[in-house]
Amino acid sequence: SQTIHQWPATLVQPVGSPLSLECTVEGTSNPNLYWYRQAAGRGLQLLFYSVGIGQISSEVPQNLSASRPQDRQFILSSKKLLLSDSGFYLCAWSVRGPSYNEQFFGPGTRLTVL
Amino acid sequence: KNQVEQSPQSLIILEGKNCTLQCNYTVSPFSNLRWYKQDTGRGPVSLTIMTFSENTKSNGRYTATLDADTKQSSLHITASQLSDSASYICVVSGNTGGFKTIFGAGTRLFVKA
Repeated sequence: SQTIHQWPATLVQPVGSPLSLECTVEGTSNPNLYWYRQAAGRGLQLLFYSVGIGQISSEVPQNLSASRPQDRQFILSSKKLLLSDSGFYLCAWSVRGPSYNEQFFGPGTRLTVL
Repeated sequence: KNQVEQSPQSLIILEGKNCTLQCNYTVSPFSNLRWYKQDTGRGPVSLTIMTFSENTKSNGRYTATLDADTKQSSLHITASQLSDSASYICVVSGNTGGFKTIFGAGTRLFVKA
């Protein structure tokens, strides 16, 4: 069976500090991978998606970036965090193929920027 | 503009009662509609998925309906339990190239004893 891991589970960072969130998937190959952000009381906002190693599509311009160094590893980064980067970050995977394939979500990372 | 709107924004019901959550969408062309349950501080978990030709889909006490003509869906929860307290998210995907999956803002359900 497939599992998706995210870490850390919670993170408190000062403004201007760097960020690195990691997501890994087990039990599947060549998945599509996604990073979402969910602000309090709001819907999920797609940040990045990837259909393969080194292939990243950005949906929202911002100070975040994503990388996919390995098939089942997806990393969300920032060089300098802003207060507005606070939120709940979710990684998801889907079977390679159309974007309307069902997505399976990780447990999320709660980021608080002070 | 592709949108997914959910109502109500929040709902409080007593344990054992039924409730219905609504989802209206404008995503076109339509591929499928999914309902997710998201417990506080956790990732969403899929409840049901329906394609254009499906009108209803059940998963235990959860029953989703879809009217592709009016672009409306509902999620009916029967005999609610305290563990049903969560956010319920409607997600609609389009049937075109590129990424077109739109998430609703969710309905926050509180089930009280």
